[in-house]
Amino acid sequence: AQSVTQLDSQVPVFEEAPVELRCNYSSSVSVYLFWYVQYPNQGLQLLLKYLSGSTLVKGINGFEAEFNKSQTSFHLRKPSVHISDTAEYFCAVNKLTGGGNKLTFGTGTQLKVEL
Amino acid sequence: GAGVSQSPRYKVAKRGQDVALRCDPISGHVSLFWYQQALGQGPEFLTYFQNEAQLDKSGLPSDRFFAERPEGSVSTLKIQRTQQEDSAVYLCASSLRFSSGSENEQFFGPGTRLTVL
Repeated sequence: AQSVTQLDSQVPVFEEAPVELRCNYSSSVSVYLFWYVQYPNQGLQLLLKYLSGSTLVKGINGFEAEFNKSQTSFHLRKPSVHISDTAEYFCAVNKLTGGGNKLTFGTGTQLKVEL
Repeated sequence: GAGVSQSPRYKVAKRGQDVALRCDPISGHVSLFWYQQALGQGPEFLTYFQNEAQLDKSGLPSDRFFAERPEGSVSTLKIQRTQQEDSAVYLCASSLRFSSGSENEQFFGPGTRLTVL
């Protein structure tokens, strides 16, 4: 079975500062990795995904993430945040093989951008 | 449609009542998923359909939970004899194909917030 750990439940940051949201996963098989963002009272929106190839993945809204197989990590970064980035961020995985592509999510990180 | 829609957006039920939550996936999407998101937690998988076939229901917490997708499009999640612990946001997602490739991106609806009193 897969599991996802997001160690930081809340991350406060000032506008225009850089931010990193941490995600570690464990799995006995190869996985795909995802970051989703959830704004209040809305569903989840895909930010970016790692399927294969380059370990540095660029997504929407200026976010990027780096897949590190040896450290089983997939941390999300943005060099300069904006007030509108305030939201809940979820890291997720699903299996490459074995049928089905249900997602296993972490508990989320609340990013709060302050002026 | 333009995206995944869910109704109702909010539902308040008295303990013991039955509820039905509806999901309209993106037109043409083969795969449909239901997730439960408790307050302050990440979504947790409940069940999965490929067209009308329910291929995985391992996440359903009890036999009070039942899901169907009879014509391979709209899906309904039914909860019988609701309990307070059923209070959560229920998210529906659809994806284009049953695949482990790039076509497996799941598009989420806004969710139904269920409150059981």
